Amino acid sequence: AQSVSQHNHHVILSEAASLELGCNYSYGGTVNLFWYVQYPGQHLQLLLKYFSGDPLVKGIKGFEAEFIKSKFSFNLRKPSVQWSDTAEYFCAVNPGYSSASKIIFGSGTRLSIRP
Amino acid sequence: NAGVTQTPKFRVLKTGQSMTLLCAQDMNHEYMYWYRQDPGMGLRLIHYSVGEGTTAKGEVPDGYNVSRLKKQNFLLGLESAAPSQTSVYFCASSPQLAGGLYEQYFGPGTRLTVT
Repeated sequence: AQSVSQHNHHVILSEAASLELGCNYSYGGTVNLFWYVQYPGQHLQLLLKYFSGDPLVKGIKGFEAEFIKSKFSFNLRKPSVQWSDTAEYFCAVNPGYSSASKIIFGSGTRLSIRP
Repeated sequence: NAGVTQTPKFRVLKTGQSMTLLCAQDMNHEYMYWYRQDPGMGLRLIHYSVGEGTTAKGEVPDGYNVSRLKKQNFLLGLESAAPSQTSVYFCASSPQLAGGLYEQYFGPGTRLTVT
């Protein structure tokens, strides 16, 4: 079955530390990839997306993600985190040219930033 | 634009009671979705709709019904609430883009507790 794995359930960092959150998926064909962020008490917002082209995509608030097709991965990175990045982060995969129901979310990674 | 709105924001039900959650979007999106979010499980798709008058089952449809009588509204019903339905419910919508792209826009969520 298609799945999305986020192996880090809870990450704790100090301000200014670098961040990398892992995301791996099991679908072998063309995929569209997303990272969403959910700040405490708020709804999910799109951080960035990959549809095609340059595998290194930049999103809002200094986040970026790299699509590595051979590793079935789409890891999220930020060179220097801030306290305001405290949130839950979700990776999502939509197999290309598939139906609207095939948007599979990972279980999320909770990021806590120590001031 | 208000985007995606959800009513109510909070609700407490007793086991066996019924209720309807309302989702409205003003972006003229074709697709609408209902998810539930539970700790450590990410988002799971309950039902979705690819257009006015159409609905389909997602990953966890049991105990829920939906209707899409108007393009802008997507209703989620619980006929006989159970404690296992205690969760945060998110509605989302997405436009019908070329190439099977389904970038979703989320509502603020409804926190439901069933006692």
